[in-house]
Amino acid sequence: AQSVTQPDIHITVSEGASLELRCNYSYGATPYLFWYVQSPGQGLQLLLKYFSGDTLVQGIKGFEAEFKRSQSSFNLRKPSVHWSDAAEYFCAVVLSGGYQKVTFGTGTKLQVIP
Amino acid sequence: EPEVTQTPSHQVTQMGQEVILRCVPISNHLYFYWYRQILGQKVEFLVSFYNNEISEKSEIFDDQFSVERPDGSNFTLKIRSTKLEDSAMYFCASSTRGETQYFGPGTRLLVL
Repeated sequence: AQSVTQPDIHITVSEGASLELRCNYSYGATPYLFWYVQSPGQGLQLLLKYFSGDTLVQGIKGFEAEFKRSQSSFNLRKPSVHWSDAAEYFCAVVLSGGYQKVTFGTGTKLQVIP
Repeated sequence: EPEVTQTPSHQVTQMGQEVILRCVPISNHLYFYWYRQILGQKVEFLVSFYNNEISEKSEIFDDQFSVERPDGSNFTLKIRSTKLEDSAMYFCASSTRGETQYFGPGTRLLVL
C-alpha cells in the first residue's frame, strides 16, 4: 500500500546540535516530496520540496533534505538547531501528474532543550 | 508574500448545526483543497476542487460536506449537520498547478 512513514514520533535535541528527521515513502513511482512544519497552534508552512534533479534541496530556515531513491527516503536535516525550531514536522508526498492530494506522514515532534 | 487566509480562526458550534468555513486562496491559484487534522492525528485530505468542480474527494467527505467557490476569491467548506467527530482543525490549501500546495493557518472547529 502507498504510504509515508516517519518512524520518529518525538525527538529531543540540544540547541546548537545537528538534526535529522527521517521520512520513507512507499509508492510505485517517485512522487513529489515535501517537508512542512507546524508550530504550536499554527498552520502548515512549506519548508522545502523535491520534484527532480539535484537530490540535495535547500529550504527555508536553514533546512535541507536529501532524496535517496535507493532507500525511498527524503530525510530532513539542519546543522545547528535553534530553540525556535521546536515544532512538528511533516513529510508529505504528492503523486506526480497534477492536482493530486497531499498525503502526510504522521509527523515528528521536535523538542529543543537549552 | 501572498498567503492563504482562513476565517474564522476558531468556531464553536452545537451538534447538528451547520457551519461554513471560509478560505481565500492565493489569487492566481487554480486548485483548491480542504484538509483536516483531528487533535493528535495526522493531516488528512478531504477534497480537491478545480475548474468549479470537485476533482477528488476522500471517504471522509460524505454528503454532510460540500464545497463552493461562490465568487472569484472565496472557497468555502460547509458541514450541514455537525457531529462531535467533526471537531478538528480544518486547513485550506491552494496551488497553481496542483503539485505545491500552500496552506492557510486553519480553522479550529469544536462541536459540542
